[in-house]
Amino acid sequence: DTGVSQDPRHKITKRGQNVTFRCDPISEHNRLYWYRQTLGQGPEFLTYFQNEAQLEKSRLLSDRFSAERPKGSFSTLEIQRTEQGDSAMYLCASSLRLAGKNEQFFGPGTRLTVL
Amino acid sequence: EDQVTQSPEALRLQEGESSSLNCSYTVSGLRGLFWYRQDPGKGPEFLFTLYSAGEEKEKERLKATLTKKESFLHITAPKPEDSATYLCAVFTGGGNKLTFGTGTQLKVEL
Repeated sequence: DTGVSQDPRHKITKRGQNVTFRCDPISEHNRLYWYRQTLGQGPEFLTYFQNEAQLEKSRLLSDRFSAERPKGSFSTLEIQRTEQGDSAMYLCASSLRLAGKNEQFFGPGTRLTVL
Repeated sequence: EDQVTQSPEALRLQEGESSSLNCSYTVSGLRGLFWYRQDPGKGPEFLFTLYSAGEEKEKERLKATLTKKESFLHITAPKPEDSATYLCAVFTGGGNKLTFGTGTQLKVEL
C-alpha cells in the first residue's frame, strides 16, 4: 500500500497524559499536513511541513501541541497535558506541489479520546 | 477569511434518484476547489480538483462543476455504496492549507 499511513488508529488516554501520533506520507511527497476533525465538522488545518521545515501553524495549535518531521519523511504530532477538548480525529495528509497544484491525500486518521 | 458553505447538510435519495450537492465559497484568490468523500471513521478520500470556472470533471456516477461562486457535485443514478459524507475544500493563494466546509451527509436507499 503506497498511501498515507497513520499510527495508532485509536488512542484512549486520561486527561493530563501526553500522547504522540505518527504519520508516514506517500514516499515522493515533500509536503505534509496535520488536520483535526471533530464530529459533524470538516477537517481544520493545524500545521504544514515542506520537507523538514515547519512553515505554517494554525492558531488552533496551542503551546501543548508540537509537530516534527525530522528527516523530511515521517512526522509526529505530540499533545502534552491532554484535555477533554482535544478529543477528535487527527488526520495527516501529504502532497507533491507542482505548478500551483496541491492535491492533498489523507491517511486513515488517529481517533483520540481523552477521558 | 475564507469561507466554505455546503448544502444541504443531509440528503436522502432513493437508488437511481439523481441529485446535486452544493458548495459555495467566499475566498480571496481561489487556486483550487477540492471534493472528497469520507466514510464513517475514515480519512477523506480524494475525488476531484477544479482549478478554473467552467471546468468539469467526472468519475463514474459523479460529476463536479465550478463557477466563480460555487461548485456542484452531481450524482447520477446513485447506488447505496455512494452513501458517505462529501466534503468540499478550497485552496487559496494566501497559504498552503485547505479550508473545508462541514460536508453533506448522503444516504442512498434501496
